[in-house]
Order: sequence, then structure tokens, then C-alpha cells
Amino acid sequence: EDQVTQSPEALRLQEGESSSLNCSYTVSGLRGLFWYRQDPGKGPEFLFTLYSAGEEKEKERLKATLTKKESFLHITAPKPEDSATYLCAVQAGTASKLTFGTGTRLQVTL
Amino acid sequence: GAGVSQTPSNKVTEKGKYVELRCDPISGHTALYWYRQSLGQGPEFLIYFQGTGAADDSGLPNDRFFAVRPEGSVSTLKIQRTERGDSAVYLCASKRGLAEPGELFFGEGSRLTVL
Repeated sequence: EDQVTQSPEALRLQEGESSSLNCSYTVSGLRGLFWYRQDPGKGPEFLFTLYSAGEEKEKERLKATLTKKESFLHITAPKPEDSATYLCAVQAGTASKLTFGTGTRLQVTL
Repeated sequence: GAGVSQTPSNKVTEKGKYVELRCDPISGHTALYWYRQSLGQGPEFLIYFQGTGAADDSGLPNDRFFAVRPEGSVSTLKIQRTERGDSAVYLCASKRGLAEPGELFFGEGSRLTVL
């Protein structure tokens, strides 16, 4: 069974304090790993797709990286508007469904 | 509208009642998904439609849950004999046919509370 584990569960940063979120996965035949952002009361919003180990994607203050066992979401000089829950998901084999982790709840304060 | 629309946004019902949740995907998106999200958890897959047919319904928890998409656009998730454990946010997502596999557009969800 595909498993996705995210850590930490919650993270509190001061504005400008860079950090990383972790997503470790166990899956048979990874087709893709995906990062989403979810604001309270909203649906998840797609951020990145990573397909193979060594791949990196960037968007503003966010950079996602992938190894054979885990993915990191690096947040550089975060701002309060980056506060959200960040979800990691995997797609395996021939399945169309995504398997999500439980997310990391990020709070960025002034 | 520009995004995925879900109605109702909130539904409170009594145990044993029947509930329908509606999803209107982005125009032209052929793939449609239903997920369920409990408090503090990630979304959990329920069912996937490609066009009018359910291509994968392996996530439906039992036969009380059923979903349709008769014309390949709007979808309805139907829950019979609701139980308190069905309380969750039900999320709908759609995708363009040629989009990257995980690039789903989610609606804001329908929050179901079963008393």
C-alpha cells in the first residue's frame, strides 16, 4: 500500500526564517510526486510536479526537490502570506488517484 | 464560473438520511475526482470519472456511497443512510485531459455534518 508521511506536523517560522518541509514516501512504481497548498476552508491548490530523483522545481520563495525516498519543500525568506497547510501526494503505477500525506501546517509570523 | 463549483458548501443532516453533493467542474475538463478530507487529515480518494464513466471507484468506502456523471460534466455524489462517521469535507477536483497527472483543480468542498 502506498504511504506518504509528512513532517513536521506543524511549523512556526518568523518572517525571513528559511526552512524545509519533508515528505517521505513508500510507493510501488512512482509516476509523480505533487505538492499542494491548502488555505483554511479552501480546496488544495496545485504547486509542483516532480517525476524523477534529482528533479527540482521553483516558484517564488518555494523550491521542491525529489530523491528516491523523499521530497523536500524549501521555503526561502517566508512571508506571512505563505502561512498554509502544505500537502504532499504521490501517484503510483497505472492508478489515476493521488495518495496524500496529512500535511504540514506552516505559520509565518512578523 | 472559472473554478470548480461545489454545492452545498455546508450540509447538516441526521443519521440515516440521504444526501446529495454536487460538483460542477471547470468547463472542458474531462477528468473529475471526488476526495474526502477529515479534520487534520489529507484528502482521501473516493472515485474518478473520465468522461461519463467511473474509471476507478476503488475508494468508495461501501455501497452506501455512489456517484454519477451522466453527461460528462456535472457530477453528484450520493450517500445513503448517512452515519456519523461520514462527517467530513467532500472535495471535488477536475483536470484537463492533457494536463500533468497531479495537476488537479479543487473546489472549496462540501462540509457534511451528520448528527
